[in-house]
Amino acid sequence: ETGVTQSPTHLIKTRGQQVTLRCSSQSGHNTVSWYQQALGQGPQFIFQYYREEENGRGNFPPRFSGLQFPNYSSELNVNALELDDSALYLCASSPDPILVNTEAFFGQGTRLTVV
Amino acid sequence: QKEVEQDPGPLSVPEGAIVSLNCTYSNSAFQYFMWYRQYSRKGPELLMYTYSSGNKEDGRFTAQVDKSSKYISLFIRDSQPSDSATYLCAMTAGGGADGLTFGKGTHLIIQP
Repeated sequence: ETGVTQSPTHLIKTRGQQVTLRCSSQSGHNTVSWYQQALGQGPQFIFQYYREEENGRGNFPPRFSGLQFPNYSSELNVNALELDDSALYLCASSPDPILVNTEAFFGQGTRLTVV
Repeated sequence: QKEVEQDPGPLSVPEGAIVSLNCTYSNSAFQYFMWYRQYSRKGPELLMYTYSSGNKEDGRFTAQVDKSSKYISLFIRDSQPSDSATYLCAMTAGGGADGLTFGKGTHLIIQP
């Protein structure tokens, strides 16, 4: 077990709705990244938070937003859901922003289905 | 052309065989190379990471990076049915804020 937990595990939403996904990192891990993994694809980087500030972003529109809290938890918010947003959403935490990519521990993911 | 290319498989081999998994990439700025294993309905699990070119060994696993050819490999010796999973290569230029760029993953099946 990585010590990174995500909730909920599964979610079904309707196109146009908004969704919030949650991640609880390991204690002491001050960096969290979010990824989208479509079926049959590798994960794609959405954004990264370090000490509650976004410090990196992939090629995702502004309707994907996030928050990181002092208690090592974080959220991914997606507005105006589209059918293509259906995917497994993964969060990854790291103890150090320099090691963020070489020591990233992933949660089990939230499977989002948009209908 | 995608930044990272990886054959999705499936790759099916008998138990005990040596498995070779590979990725090619186009971005010469990549310096950190990782291999993740992902079981069905689970998040990716880091197996190994390598900085720049060279080899790294950990038990039954060996990772190789050839930056001149933009080619990375993962070898699994004495493969076991429990190694059946999807193997994802990932890489980054470093600096932290770029995130990881993943391949599609190779679905590996080890036949008992």
